[in-house]
Amino acid sequence: SQQGEEDPQALSIQEGENATMNCSYKTSINNLQWYRQNSGRGLVHLILIRSNEREKHSGRLRVTLDTSKKSSSLLITASRAADTASYFCLILSNRDDKIIFGKGTRLHILP
Amino acid sequence: AAGVIQSPRHLIKEKRETATLKCYPIPRHDTVYWYQQGPGQDPQFLISFYEKMQSDKGSIPDRFSAQQFSDYHSELNMSSLELGDSALYFCASSPAGTVTNYGYTFGSGTRLTVV
Repeated sequence: SQQGEEDPQALSIQEGENATMNCSYKTSINNLQWYRQNSGRGLVHLILIRSNEREKHSGRLRVTLDTSKKSSSLLITASRAADTASYFCLILSNRDDKIIFGKGTRLHILP
Repeated sequence: AAGVIQSPRHLIKEKRETATLKCYPIPRHDTVYWYQQGPGQDPQFLISFYEKMQSDKGSIPDRFSAQQFSDYHSELNMSSLELGDSALYFCASSPAGTVTNYGYTFGSGTRLTVV
């Protein structure tokens, strides 16, 4: 299966703590993207990391990519209640240009 | 800035009825993707179009069909609706096919409820 796998599938942390979500995949990729989805809403693009990049930052977000391990992590620092959402990784395969969604991590920030 | 527009936002249909969902991509985006997300489920790829031609097909039932028009908007037609078709349907668009250095822009989705 080329399905992106994310762990953990659910994560509850205290406000102010850091949240780390991981995504593993099996194919070779062109790029990997992280999206946020608030309950029942559309997906919002957060950050894109290309296969030749190892780390990217955007505000409180930090994404790493390890192509040798075929995995990526999304770190949200100093979490806030508004960060409560589902987070998905999306993989663009460079083998067949297919877009593959990860399973999603449901993040809940506790006040 | 213009985003991906989907209509309607909400739709309620009865079993065995038909439904048509519309997606208007960002201007100059020539590729549209359709996804289905059941309650509490992950998004599942249905179908995509590039330059008005079907470019890829995922887990789209035979009861569904879709097309992309000359103005690049796309419509997802769903017939003989079943209760299990109740889901959030959203589309995404991107420029220049599927190989891109930019993230995809997703619409807010159409929530279809089949009763």
